[in-house]
This record gives sequence, structure tokens and C-alpha cells, in this order.
Amino acid sequence: DTAVSQTPKYLVTQMGNDKSIKCEQNLGHDTMYWYKQDSKKFLKIMFSYNNKELIINETVPNRFSPKSPDKAHLNLHINSLELGDSAVYFCASSQGLVTDTQYFGPGTRLTVL
Amino acid sequence: SQKIEQNSEALNIQEGKTATLTCNYTNYSPAYLQWYRQDPGRGPVFLLLIRENEKEKRKERLKVTFDTTLKQSLFHITASQPADSATYLCAPRVKAAGNKLTFGGGTRVLVKP
Repeated sequence: DTAVSQTPKYLVTQMGNDKSIKCEQNLGHDTMYWYKQDSKKFLKIMFSYNNKELIINETVPNRFSPKSPDKAHLNLHINSLELGDSAVYFCASSQGLVTDTQYFGPGTRLTVL
Repeated sequence: SQKIEQNSEALNIQEGKTATLTCNYTNYSPAYLQWYRQDPGRGPVFLLLIRENEKEKRKERLKVTFDTTLKQSLFHITASQPADSATYLCAPRVKAAGNKLTFGGGTRVLVKP
């Protein structure tokens, strides 16, 4: 059983398009996250949701909109894609806000042409 | 500004030797520090957590130290094996930041048979 899953694994699209990445966790966790890992491999947090409520929003352009329909899902919608959005996006989850271990998904490699 | 530094150069090591990785941080007072392992094309996997009041933590062949005076954590892999080849990320966490993890750039370890 996959604990944290993301779809799609690869996403290639043109500049200006709108795309979504989906994330699901079956760990029963309350908190979910989106991270971006750029070409230099730095992993940076973008958003965090706890019980469907936005907790962390790290100065991400408002073209990025997370949506949490329920505790087990956190999707990332990106409008008007730009070249600089090309990266690997990781979803993660943890038991709660103060629990230390985060469980990461396999990542979605987004390439904007 | 807050900074986390890990050696960006790959660490090449012979099988059976001990690999030592460094994580230095500035303008931080982390309550915890975590280490994650990341394999190519995969999400990070949690390895160890050490708290500010702990000097050392061990898990099987892994050992982590945390020196809050030097603002440094060392990560050791003893009796290294080729399967230990991966990138290792450190992530200090400040209590006030909720569960926001900030990652270092990682150090790639290559264990040669």
C-alpha cells in the first residue's frame, strides 16, 4: 500500500496552461504539505494544511492554489504556468502540526516548455 | 537571514568506512533537527530526529550529534554499504514555526564496493 501517492508522476505542458497535481495519503494523518524541489535540489515548503485548513503559505505566487477537499487529499492547481515553475513537486503528510516525522510522496516532475 | 549549509560536494567513500556529513546552520535556534535520505527520483525518507537537549542519537549504523553551541549537526554512517548511496538532507525545525521544515541542500554520498 502506498502511504502518500501523487498523480501524475510526470507532467509536460506549455507555458500559459493550467494544470493540477493530486495527492492522497492513506495514513490517517491530519496535516499535509506541498514542497517544491528545484534544479539545484533545494526542497522548499510551499503550503501546509491541517484538517483542511491552510496553516503555512510561504510567499508562493497566487497562481498556485492548494485545495483540500478532505483530510486525505491535498491537490495543487497551477494557473498560467511559467518556465520557472519547472521543478519536482512533493506532497507530504504528518500526524499533526507538532509531530515531527513527515512522509513524502514520490514526487511529480513538472516541465514547462 | 536563516541559513542551512551542507557540503554540496559529493562524498565518495569506500565500503566499510564511516561517512561523516555536516549540517551547519546560522541565525537559527532549532528545537529539533531531522535527517532525511533521498534516492534519485524519490521523495525524502525520514531517518533520525535529535532534540536540542540531546547530544547524540543512534539508529542501527546511523549516528547523529547536535551541538547547539557550534550550531552544527554531524551525521555518521558506520560500516557503510553501497546501498547507503543517496543524498542526505538535514532539516532544523524551530518550535514556533509549527511543523515547518526547512531543508539544507543535501550531501550526496557514494559508497564504492
